[in-house]
Amino acid sequence: DSGVTQTPKHLITATGQRVTLRCSPRSGDLSVYWYQQSLDQGLQFLIQYYNGEERAKGNILERFSAQQFPDLHSELNLSSLELGDSALYFCASSVDSGAGGELFFGEGSRLTVL
Amino acid sequence: AQSVAQPEDQVNVAEGNPLTVKCTYSVSGNPYLFWYVQYPNRGLQFLLKYITGDNLVKGSYGFEAEFNKSQTSFHLKKPSALVSDSALYFCAVRDYEDTGGFKTIFGAGTRLFVKA
Repeated sequence: DSGVTQTPKHLITATGQRVTLRCSPRSGDLSVYWYQQSLDQGLQFLIQYYNGEERAKGNILERFSAQQFPDLHSELNLSSLELGDSALYFCASSVDSGAGGELFFGEGSRLTVL
Repeated sequence: AQSVAQPEDQVNVAEGNPLTVKCTYSVSGNPYLFWYVQYPNRGLQFLLKYITGDNLVKGSYGFEAEFNKSQTSFHLKKPSALVSDSALYFCAVRDYEDTGGFKTIFGAGTRLFVKA
């Protein structure tokens, strides 16, 4: 158990809909990272938050947004969903801003868009 | 930008034999390199990292990795493979952003099959 909690574990929805994925980092970790894992794209970095502030951005679509709240949990919002958004979404956390520490991953949220 | 490459999609090895999973990197400056493992339907788990120091890094579950600056490689090794080592292995590099953040860039992954 990494200590990172993600909900929901599975989500099935239709094209055009909006979903919210939630992540609680390990106790004491200030950074949260979001990744998308799909068969054709591999593991893609989406975005990093450190202590409530956005710090690094990857190939995150404009339809996607994220935030980190004062209690350090984070939410990833996916809107106007398309079939290609079907993937496993991982949240990870680290104690620092990411300089040299390893990431601790949650079990993921599997999104299926029909 | 930093990047890593894992040249093998799959590695097959017999139980008890040594295993190597290859990784090469491309970085500007000093590399921060990592190995992670992913078991089916699970999140990634950290195995080991190289920041600085000894070129041979020891990690979890008996794994180790050798940092080779001249060959820009960071291969994962284990002297004696177990069937339970069968999983997806990712090499990764830490990339610094001008905004003060960091992102970990992962390779495509190498699937390891250990046959009994």
